Amino acid sequence: AQRVTQPEKLLSVFKGAPVELKCNYSYSGSPELFWYVQYSRQRLQLLLRHISRESIKGFTADLNKGETSFHLKKPFAQEEDSAMYYCALWKYGNKLVFGAGTILRVKS
Amino acid sequence: DGGITQSPKYLFRKEGQNVTLSCEQNLNHDAMYWYRQDPGQGLRLIYYSQIVNDFQKGDIAEGYSVSREKKESFPLTVTSAQKNPTAFYLCASREGQGIKTGELFFGEGSRLTVL
Repeated sequence: AQRVTQPEKLLSVFKGAPVELKCNYSYSGSPELFWYVQYSRQRLQLLLRHISRESIKGFTADLNKGETSFHLKKPFAQEEDSAMYYCALWKYGNKLVFGAGTILRVKS
Repeated sequence: DGGITQSPKYLFRKEGQNVTLSCEQNLNHDAMYWYRQDPGQGLRLIYYSQIVNDFQKGDIAEGYSVSREKKESFPLTVTSAQKNPTAFYLCASREGQGIKTGELFFGEGSRLTVL
C-alpha cells in the first residue's frame, strides 16, 4: 500500500534549536514527495517539494530512498515556525496522500 | 482576488439530513479535490475530479457525493449515509490535467457539526 507515516504527533523545541520532522513513505516506484504547512488561522499551503531541492524559510528535506524517508529539517527553529506540518506523497492516479501531521511548537 | 472559496465556513446539521458544501475556484485549474481533516488522522481524500463531468472516488467516499458540471465548481454533498460526518472539510485545486506533480491550492475549509 502507498502511504505516508509521520510518527510524531507533537514536536516541541526551544527557539534556536535544530528541528527534524520525520516522514517515512511506502511506495513502489519513484516517489514524488512534498511538505505542506498550516499556520494558525491560515490555509494549508505547500512548503517544499523534493524535486525542487530548494530551501524554503530555512527548511530542507532530502529524499532517502534507502530508508524511504523524507525528513524535514531546519538548523535553528524560530517561533514563527510553529504550525502543523504534513508530509505528502503523490500517488498514481493524480492523488496526493497525506500523513497524519506533526504539530511543531517552538518555545521561547 | 484569485483562489478557492469554500462556503459555508461553519455548518450545523441534524442527523438524517443531507448537506452540501460549496467549493469554487477562479484559478482556471482542471483538477479539484475534497479532503476530510480529522485530528490525528491527517487529510483523507474523499473525491477528486480531473476534468469537467468526470470524478473519481477517493479513499473514504462512502456517504458522500459530488458533481463537476462546471470547471470552477466542485460541490460536496454529505449524505445521511455518512456515519461520522462531523469534521473539517477542505477543498483544493491543481492546474494541469496530465501533470503528475503540482501544487495543491487549498480553501479555508468548512467545519460541519452534526447535532
